[in-house]
Parts: sequence; C-alpha cells; structure tokens
Amino acid sequence: DTAVSQTPKYLVTQMGNDKSIKCEQNLGHDTMYWYKQDSKKFLKIMFSYNNKELIINETVPNRFSPKSPDKAHLNLHINSLELGDSAVYFCASNSLRRARETQYFGPGTRLLVL
Amino acid sequence: DAKTTQPPSMDCAEGRAANLPCNHSTISGNEYVYWYRQIHSQGPQYIIHGLKNNETNEMASLIITEDRKSSTLILPHATLRDTAVYYCIVRGHGSSNTGKLIFGQGTTLQVKP
Repeated sequence: DTAVSQTPKYLVTQMGNDKSIKCEQNLGHDTMYWYKQDSKKFLKIMFSYNNKELIINETVPNRFSPKSPDKAHLNLHINSLELGDSAVYFCASNSLRRARETQYFGPGTRLLVL
Repeated sequence: DAKTTQPPSMDCAEGRAANLPCNHSTISGNEYVYWYRQIHSQGPQYIIHGLKNNETNEMASLIITEDRKSSTLILPHATLRDTAVYYCIVRGHGSSNTGKLIFGQGTTLQVKP
C-alpha cells in the first residue's frame, strides 16, 4: 500500500557504470520529482515531470536522464557514474492541479559509487 | 520563492512543547509557509502549511506573525520519535508554480528523555 515507492533501496556500483533507479506512485498524482541529498544532507530538486512532460530541469549533468513512461512512473537513468554521484535520491509526487496538495516522498535510493 | 532562515539545532525535553522558529522576511503575498521534517534515513514528511492564519492539525500547530515575516512550528508534546530535521519552506501557489520545494539546512531537533 506504499504511496511512493522506489527501487532499489540500495545500489552499490563501480565508477563508469550505467544504472537506473525507478519510482512509482499510486496516489493518482500528475507530477513527480527527483531530489538528491548529498553527504552534507542538502536536499536539492533535480527534475520534475507533469503529465509526462518535463517541467523542471535544474543544473544537472546530462549523464542524468529522467524518463516518465506514464504519470505513475518516473525513472532516473545515470550514465558513466562518478564518485560524486554517491547520494540518496528521493522521488516525490503531488498534484499541481490542486496547488495546495503537498508532496509525498518515497523512502529514498542510497547510491554508492566506488 | 522566498528564502528562509532557521536555527541549525535545538533541544527539547520529552513531553514538553517544541517551538521551532523560522524567518521569511522576503515572503510575498501569495506565498505559503510549509513545514516538512526528515526523520533519520527516511524521506521528508509533510507536517503543516499556512498562508496567514494560524493552523493546527493532528501533528502540530503553525503560528504565523501578522506581518508574515516569521512563523513558529509547535509540537505540543514532543516525543523521542519527533527527533528529526525540520524544514521551513516558502512556496507560491500561482499559475507558474512548478511545485518544487527549495530545502534549506533546516533545524535539527533533538528530543531528550
């Protein structure tokens, strides 16, 4: 019954590899987000999709490519992983049609690049 | 979206009220004050939000000053499970709203037995 779920929960990989993390929400929301929390615990928005359309694309290396196959899913693919990509990645969702609706966050994906 | 300022850390005794302040002196008329918290290793969790009136829900109360330049989140009876980082965020609800949340450093609340 999890509202926003992410897979995998943990991901350990070597530098240079390509990996994907997935997010799914069952709340009927029209907007999904990816946030990154680095080792200093700062949470920062990366991307957002509204009805499968990219609406936020912060200054993120183009090795990061989000994909939204439908409104309930937002995946994040990372090419050529670097040590600095190690972080916790949080997915979130809400409904922009209902402006006051708050964002619900997933449990996070802990990525460690060796 | 306006910037917010919070103390980096606070302590509170278990069972007592925790009062977490936030300054948002550049807030504009259509911007709301939101509070989220992040318990260790978990995703951020919504607590409460308001525009200008004081708000209360099952988790907390939000007191916003009349000039709206600051607010206080009140946890009326703090428990050990309330130990977390608390974020005060200002966000508009206009037609250009993309919904993104801009997190600052937050206040680390330590509830002690």
